[in-house]
Amino acid sequence: DTEVTQTPKHLVMGMTNKKSLKCEQHMGHRAMYWYKQKAKKPPELMFVYSYEKLSINESVPSRFSPECPNSSLLNLHLHALQPEDSALYLCASSRRLAGTNTDTQYFGPGTRLTVL
Amino acid sequence: ELKVEQNPLFLSMQEGKNYTIYCNYSTTSDRLYWYRQDPGKSLESLFVLLSNGAVKQEGRLMASLDTKARLSTLHITAAVHDLSATYFCAVDPSQGGSEKLVFGKGTKLTVNP
Repeated sequence: DTEVTQTPKHLVMGMTNKKSLKCEQHMGHRAMYWYKQKAKKPPELMFVYSYEKLSINESVPSRFSPECPNSSLLNLHLHALQPEDSALYLCASSRRLAGTNTDTQYFGPGTRLTVL
Repeated sequence: ELKVEQNPLFLSMQEGKNYTIYCNYSTTSDRLYWYRQDPGKSLESLFVLLSNGAVKQEGRLMASLDTKARLSTLHITAAVHDLSATYFCAVDPSQGGSEKLVFGKGTKLTVNP
């Protein structure tokens, strides 16, 4: 089973709202990722969690706040977003190999976010 | 800084024809991934290529890696409409696995009946 699930599938929010995106995997992967993808562009890495600890933050604005409550769950909390934050938000996970090495990243179906 | 270039960025082809997508990268790497993305959908892992000379095939798609030339190819044989999608290569900038992949811009493939 190589399934990563994400909820919700679609989200529309105002600039003053607070919302959260959720990602879940049950493959025993210990690396989890958040990506942002704009139309006709490749995914852009936002955050990486390794063994439930934040290991990479790609200088993402603080209005995006990640959280990894346990090894299977990854959340992305959203607050005071801008219209330009509208995008497809993808979660991914991968096995950890020896040391810092990781294996293939498996992507979830994504959350289509629209900020009004 | 690792740069990954794919070409062509757009490819329109007839069913039954063969074609190749190229992925060039700028620094040493021995791990390269190919992903497929359908419109509005997520990324599906196609291949992971782990060493020089690696070749993998799945159906009408065959991927290869030449680490000395810093080049990977995705060859399409006898294309069918179902292969229409955007194909991304992604390169691991470190030796042996990294959390941070560098993606190419993607090749949008359209297979016409």
